Amino acid sequence: DQQVKQNSPSLSVQEGRISILNCDYTNSMFDYFLWYKKYPAEGPTFLISISSIKDKNEDGRFTVFLNKSAKHLSLHIVPSQPGDSAVYFCAASGSLNYGQNFVFGPGTRLSVLP
Amino acid sequence: ETGVTQSPTHLIKTRGQQVTLRCSSQSGHNTVSWYQQALGQGPQFIFQYYREEENGRGNFPPRFSGLQFPNYSSELNVNALELDDSALYLCASSLGQGDEKLFFGSGTQLSVL
Repeated sequence: DQQVKQNSPSLSVQEGRISILNCDYTNSMFDYFLWYKKYPAEGPTFLISISSIKDKNEDGRFTVFLNKSAKHLSLHIVPSQPGDSAVYFCAASGSLNYGQNFVFGPGTRLSVLP
Repeated sequence: ETGVTQSPTHLIKTRGQQVTLRCSSQSGHNTVSWYQQALGQGPQFIFQYYREEENGRGNFPPRFSGLQFPNYSSELNVNALELDDSALYLCASSLGQGDEKLFFGSGTQLSVL
């Protein structure tokens, strides 16, 4: 029973266009959400986060949107660059103060085509 | 600043054996978490150590155990290996137990035959 779902295993986008990666969750106790990026043969790297008291967080080309009522979040990358090609994981947590039990989705492989 | 390092990078074991994986946390980080990533899936939380004490555990059996040392490095031990234990094992360190940012190592790829 997946608590964090990323229903698109892969996504291809043209360089310069917008990439939108989606994530859905089922556990209403989750109140902190993160996105990680993973290149082959490397560990995941933190990209951006959002807490449930916000509905949007921006960091440069990356914006995360949270819709709590729909239990849905999305990551927007504008403009997309070839270096953004990686696997993107959505992760959620109910508490940051104990155990950091982040629940990860299965990932979406983004390919940005030049 | 030294990042998170894991050893070995690859390991092959047979069913029933025991394995120890090692992790050196990033400088200044006192919290270490271990994750298992099976093929095609996201990382799954095994447990976390904060100042040498286990501080949270995921849905893994007791044959998965760990240690954290005074220098905050850590070990993951798995006894009685099963075929399903084949996975990438990721170690992540953070500044504290409430820190959102996990800094991951490149992982140890374990194959159980």
